[in-house]
Amino acid sequence: DAKTTQPNSMESNEEEPVHLPCNHSTISGTDYIHWYRQLPSQGPEYVIHGLTSNVNNRMASLAIAEDRKSSTLILHRATLRDAAVYYCILRALYTNAGKSTFGDGTTLTVKP
Amino acid sequence: DGGITQSPKYLFRKEGQNVTLSCEQNLNHDAMYWYRQDPGQGLRLIYYSQIVNDFQKGDIAEGYSVSREKKESFPLTVTSAQKNPTAFYLCATVGSGYSYEQYFGPGTRLTVT
Repeated sequence: DAKTTQPNSMESNEEEPVHLPCNHSTISGTDYIHWYRQLPSQGPEYVIHGLTSNVNNRMASLAIAEDRKSSTLILHRATLRDAAVYYCILRALYTNAGKSTFGDGTTLTVKP
Repeated sequence: DGGITQSPKYLFRKEGQNVTLSCEQNLNHDAMYWYRQDPGQGLRLIYYSQIVNDFQKGDIAEGYSVSREKKESFPLTVTSAQKNPTAFYLCATVGSGYSYEQYFGPGTRLTVT
């Protein structure tokens, strides 16, 4: 499986933008980049995904490097409710779901 | 109301007993997954199933068993062979389509003493 690397932890101030990096140097051409987040004592929830182009939704933006070897999840204005563990994973297109592994993610702390 | 149900939310067992964790989904998804999470750690894949009557081992399958007799259900049995069974267990499904977005249940916290 193609692997991702994320920093263990990051801190942000409330109402400031947050940029969460992810490296995936062995990504293949058919891998989608997915981001999930997990609040304490809950299951992870989907945040955003992309293939090549930058993506925006109501929760966040995803910036993908031109060579696709890295990506950045952007929270435009962090709130205390954004404090969570953020996971970056790769999912292959056109496969029957298949093995889905998560790393340790990045623990985001938001300071008031 | 579509979703994934895991029951119970908290489960307590004595060491040496087998215990079965329930996972039910009404999303009509083919693929289902079981993960284990220890305090302060990420998710580790135990087993996954891409279709009824078929399943594959994940990264930490030893001491666990699963069955997939129905599309809606993917129960996980934690056997007495699992050395450190106390953990948070998460069930997930994957939808079809281009994105293969993964959906997670609320989890079951198992404590074995």
